[in-house]
Amino acid sequence: DAKTTQPNSMESNEEEPVHLPCNHSTISGTDYIHWYRQLPSQGPEYVIHGLTSNVNNRMASLAIAEDRKSSTLILHRATLRDAAVYYCIPHMNRDDKIIFGKGTRLHILP
Amino acid sequence: DTGVSQDPRHKITKRGQNVTFRCDPISEHNRLYWYRQTLGQGPEFLTYFQNEAQLEKSRLLSDRFSAERPKGSFSTLEIQRTEQGDSAMYLCASSSDTSKQYFGPGTRLTVT
Repeated sequence: DAKTTQPNSMESNEEEPVHLPCNHSTISGTDYIHWYRQLPSQGPEYVIHGLTSNVNNRMASLAIAEDRKSSTLILHRATLRDAAVYYCIPHMNRDDKIIFGKGTRLHILP
Repeated sequence: DTGVSQDPRHKITKRGQNVTFRCDPISEHNRLYWYRQTLGQGPEFLTYFQNEAQLEKSRLLSDRFSAERPKGSFSTLEIQRTEQGDSAMYLCASSSDTSKQYFGPGTRLTVT
């Protein structure tokens, strides 16, 4: 399994963009990069995933480095509801289990 | 789509007792997963079903743990002779493919 490195915690101001980094230098060529988040007292929630190209959805954008050794989850305009632990997970889409790390705890300041 | 539901949401039990948790996946999702999460850690995979077949079990799942998914619908996770180290959040997830899992709210177990 590819190892990931994420900051333990980050802070951002409400209504500002947030860039959450993740290093995954041992990622294999067939691993997708998935992001999940876990709001307080809830189960994890899928955010976005991608392979090589940058990806956008209604929740966030995912920017993947050209060498695929790192990626950045971008929340374009943070709200208080975005305060959560964010997990970056290299994941082979043909594997079923997800291997979570410790993630980044994001604090949003009003 | 009512989401994944889990019951109970909280369970307090005494050491040595047996407990059983239930998970109802999103209807028509053929894959169902159990994870365990302790404080400050990410969820850890326990086991996985495709329809009624249990296809993978983590070595974290000792012989005191058993999971079933009769008829490929809801699933139960039973812990026999609970120990204080079993105190954790037990999460269930379901999916229709391998690209995205939908998690329930979890069952928080406290063993006293």
